Amino acid sequence: DAGVIQSPRHEVTEMGQEVTLRCKPISGHDYLFWYRQTMMRGLELLIYFNNNVPIDDSGMPEDRFSAKMPNASFSTLKIQPSEPRDSAVYFCASSLANWASNTGELFFGEGSRLTVL
Amino acid sequence: RKEVEQDPGPFNVPEGATVAFNCTYSNSASQSFFWYRQDCRKEPKLLMSVYSSGNEDGRFTAQLNRASQYISLLIRDSKLSDSATYLCVVNRWGGGNKLTFGTGTQLKVEL
Repeated sequence: DAGVIQSPRHEVTEMGQEVTLRCKPISGHDYLFWYRQTMMRGLELLIYFNNNVPIDDSGMPEDRFSAKMPNASFSTLKIQPSEPRDSAVYFCASSLANWASNTGELFFGEGSRLTVL
Repeated sequence: RKEVEQDPGPFNVPEGATVAFNCTYSNSASQSFFWYRQDCRKEPKLLMSVYSSGNEDGRFTAQLNRASQYISLLIRDSKLSDSATYLCVVNRWGGGNKLTFGTGTQLKVEL
């Protein structure tokens, strides 16, 4: 079975440019999460969706960040304009809804490593 | 104060040693607890859940102390392949499906 698929794996861009990160969750998973990881702050939740609807975007740093999930198999995270402090690894993760079972398992993609110069 | 705090390490231990990691959480409403493992430059993966009574999975034992808001992970007979960063993770009812990750404790197992 295919896991969570993210693209691009690596991106180097210049300050001010638009960056779009893409994610395909595991088929059948109805939760999708975007996390950002840096050495200083660890893994931070940016936003998550349930059945394609944004549920909590309180972790999105500012208006330069936006995320969409047009259908159950695709999501994007966009940064416009990008800044050097956005340099990080961005992870997408998906899971099944049944928190009653409480397995706690998020399935992460391999991440998109972003460098903004 | 961070919601989940861990000693960043690194913990450098010889192969075969027993090592323990601790984690504290600040929100008393936290209800679910987990340990994730992250290898260098890879994605995090679930290692094990942490149950109130404590639980064991092979060489790994997880404990929860709700009164002290404290979680631990014990690794016995450590292997070179255990070298990784161990992330403490909590979720709370009413927090939706939102897991909060600690910044991780780095373990290096040496010959």
